[in-house]
Amino acid sequence: EAAVTQSPRSKVAVTGGKVTLSCHQTNNHDYMYWYRQDTGHGLRLIHYSYVADSTEKGDIPDGYKASRPSQENFSLILELASLSQTAVYFCASSAAVQDTQYFGPGTRLLVL
Amino acid sequence: GQQVQQSPSSLVLQEGENAELQCNFSSTATQLQWFYQSPGGSLVSLLSNPSGTKHTGRLTSTTVTKERRSSLHISSSQTTDSGTYLCAIAPSNAKLTFGKGTKLSVKS
Repeated sequence: EAAVTQSPRSKVAVTGGKVTLSCHQTNNHDYMYWYRQDTGHGLRLIHYSYVADSTEKGDIPDGYKASRPSQENFSLILELASLSQTAVYFCASSAAVQDTQYFGPGTRLLVL
Repeated sequence: GQQVQQSPSSLVLQEGENAELQCNFSSTATQLQWFYQSPGGSLVSLLSNPSGTKHTGRLTSTTVTKERRSSLHISSSQTTDSGTYLCAIAPSNAKLTFGKGTKLSVKS
């Protein structure tokens, strides 16, 4: 079974502060993704990566940076957190473009 | 951009009844996946079905690519099937676009 873990599982941040969400996969997958889920919007892709040291913009990248230091690790960085970034964030991985994506448990982020 | 419409938005069944969930999408999809999100929030892939019919357990998915629609049939529903079912599509790249889901409640 594919394994994707996320940390922290929940976080409260202050507006204007820096937040880093981490994702680790043990699947030996090349592709990793960050999504956010909001009520009424469903899941939306923020950033993704298909190789270490390279990231790509998804559909809603504004206000977010991503970092892929190794095949196993993928981070999402909010340099200046805003109220509108309160959401649940999911990380996922897949072996290839058309393959099934395996999701982590999610991180609940509350920005006050 | 791509759009994915799921219907119904919610569905309530008695245990043992069958469910039919619909997914319509606005552009050609080479990848189509159905996901289940538990009431606790965890997401798991149910099956990948970009075209044709696929079965797994009590689930059957039928995708008609030319008509840009897919369905997920759940037979003999159980209370443990309760949750949200998400449809997601992608063209030839990795960028999945998700629908807003169908929330299923199965009563005993």
